[in-house]
Amino acid sequence: ETGVTQTPRHLVMGMTNKKSLKCEQHLGHNAMYWYKQSAKKPLELMFVYSLEERVENNSVPSRFSPECPNSSHLFLHLHTLQPEDSALYLCASSQPIGVNQPQHFGDGTRLSIL
Amino acid sequence: ILNVEQSPQSLHVQEGDSTNFTCSFPSSNFYALHWYRWETAKSPEALFVMTLNGDEKKKGRISATLNTKEGYSYLYIKGSQPEDSATYLCARYGQNFVFGPGTRLSVLP
Repeated sequence: ETGVTQTPRHLVMGMTNKKSLKCEQHLGHNAMYWYKQSAKKPLELMFVYSLEERVENNSVPSRFSPECPNSSHLFLHLHTLQPEDSALYLCASSQPIGVNQPQHFGDGTRLSIL
Repeated sequence: ILNVEQSPQSLHVQEGDSTNFTCSFPSSNFYALHWYRWETAKSPEALFVMTLNGDEKKKGRISATLNTKEGYSYLYIKGSQPEDSATYLCARYGQNFVFGPGTRLSVLP
C-alpha cells in the first residue's frame, strides 16, 4: 500500500481518443504532482497543485489537461495525443508544498499512443 | 531548466561492497536536494531531503552528504545487498523541481 494509487496501470490509445488518468492519495496530503518519464529521460515535472489550485505548469502542451477536484484526487485528461507522448506518467503527493517535504509516488500509468 | 547530473549512469557491485555515487547541480537559487530510490516495477521511495550546506543524513546502511556551495551531493551505501539494486534519483528544488537521470545500481550476490 503506497498511499498513492494510480489507475489505470496501463493504457493504449489512438491519437484521436480521449482518456483520463486518475490519481488518489490516502495520506492526508494537500499537494499533488504529475510527472512524465519518457524512455531514457529524467522524470519531468508537468503540473503541481496545492490546496486544489494549480501552482505550476511546466510548459505542458494543452492536449494534457489536469484537474484537481479535491485534495485527494488528481486527474490528467488526455486528448489528441501524439506518439511522442508515450511514456510512464507518475503521480505524487506531499504535505504542503515545501522544499523539505518528500514526495510520495504512485506506481504510474504506462501510456502507449498508437 | 537547470540541469541536474548524476554519475555514474550505472554500476555493478558485489554483495558486501560499499559504493557511492554523485549528484551535481547548479548551486545558485538552491533550496533543497531530495534523494529517491526507485526499484523496478515499484514507485519511487523518498530516502532523504537535505537543505543545509554540510547536511549529513543516514538511514540504515545508506547515508548522504550535501555541499551546496559547490553543488553536489554524495549517496553512500555500506555493505551493499541485492535488495539495494535500484535506480537512485536525486532532485534539486530551486525555482522549480528538477530530477537527475538517476544512477542504476545492480548488486550481484
